[in-house]
Amino acid sequence: AQSVAQPEDQVNVAEGNPLTVKCTYSVSGNPYLFWYVQYPNRGLQFLLKYITGDNLVKGSYGFEAEFNKSQTSFHLKKPSALVSDSALYFCAVSTSNTGKLIFGQGTTLQVKP
Amino acid sequence: GAVVSQHPSRVICKSGTSVKIECRSLDFQATTMFWYRQFPKQSLMLMATSNEGSKATYEQGVEKDKFLINHASLTLSTLTVTSAHPEDSSFYICSAGRDGRNTEAFFGQGTRLTVV
Repeated sequence: AQSVAQPEDQVNVAEGNPLTVKCTYSVSGNPYLFWYVQYPNRGLQFLLKYITGDNLVKGSYGFEAEFNKSQTSFHLKKPSALVSDSALYFCAVSTSNTGKLIFGQGTTLQVKP
Repeated sequence: GAVVSQHPSRVICKSGTSVKIECRSLDFQATTMFWYRQFPKQSLMLMATSNEGSKATYEQGVEKDKFLINHASLTLSTLTVTSAHPEDSSFYICSAGRDGRNTEAFFGQGTRLTVV
């Protein structure tokens, strides 16, 4: 069965510092990996995806993520955090191109001034 | 990017009544849409896969008769919560993938349902 784990419920960083939000996955077959961000009472906004190719994926708002097959990880990173980055972040996995996703538990990112 | 519109954004209804939530893909066709449910500060749980022109596929533990899904056209799927009860109160989100492309799913803005 497919699964996604985000081991941290919350990540706190100071504005201007680098941030990392962790994600590991378990699938049979080649994974399609995604990161989404959610603001309160809103739908999900797409940040980036890994389908194939370069392991380092660059996405929206300065975010990037690195696919590591041996560690089955897809951590989200940003070199310099902004207060406006504070939100709920979801990692998701799919093994098809239908759009059906399995989500991690979500990680709340708090960026303090 | 593609746009998925969900309506209404919030609804309050009385126990025992039914509520319909619409999910539309505005600028692309979607033979498949997905309905998720999200409890406060929790992840999204897939409820069902909506298939255009055929029956929806429900995830284990989701009541088909409680959550009716209709996907009558390539751009519209509806979720009807029948005989709603307070425990059905939740945030419901739909998504759609652009057919034939292994691209990301596009999400609606969500519907906050409160049953009183």
